Amino acid sequence: QQPVQSPQAVILREGEDAVINCSSSKALYSVHWYRQKHGEAPVFLMILLKGGEQMRHEKISASFNEKKQQSSLYLTASQLSYSGTYFCGTGYNNNDMRFGAGTRLTVKP
Amino acid sequence: NAGVMQNPRHLVRRRGQEARLRCSPVKGHSHVYWYRQLPEEGLKFMVYLQKENIIDESGMPKERFSAEFPKEGPSILRIQQVVRGDSAAYFCASSPVAGSGNTIYFGEGSWLTVV
Repeated sequence: QQPVQSPQAVILREGEDAVINCSSSKALYSVHWYRQKHGEAPVFLMILLKGGEQMRHEKISASFNEKKQQSSLYLTASQLSYSGTYFCGTGYNNNDMRFGAGTRLTVKP
Repeated sequence: NAGVMQNPRHLVRRRGQEARLRCSPVKGHSHVYWYRQLPEEGLKFMVYLQKENIIDESGMPKERFSAEFPKEGPSILRIQQVVRGDSAAYFCASSPVAGSGNTIYFGEGSWLTVV
């Protein structure tokens, strides 16, 4: 089982906002968000554990809905450095970690 | 740098040879995940190990692939009789304790090319 991410790709101008969604058909134990630049390792952004929780990493924030079946990543006033592929990682129990297919974000000047 | 260390970073193998990828987790971490990433695709779960135990190998192909995490030394992902379809980036990640409730840290990856 792996989460479903949407959209698959987003193209933004610098300063614009974007939302990336991650959803599951059943309740999740946790949601992790990572960003990966081409040819590099995924880099941890944040983890959400509780329904209704919201977290922030610089100008990027994320929420976890009350039912713990959906998380959204909010990129505000995007910067060129935000370009990359964003993955949500989800655990259905306290052991596994599965990742979505990724959302490719391109920020243009 | 006490992060997750993977080697080799790049490996070229001919079809039919064996590939061994090594992963040294963050110091003190006893849990290791292996993921495979094909070009322009997502991170596909392969196996989750604790020291000396395989916890979940549901993502591992049934044949040719094996993984271990011995009491001493790095975790090893072994691919026997490689085929062109095995060409991918293989990422290792580690966490200090069990579970997806904890941050997992990724290594830089090992890029396998089968020619």
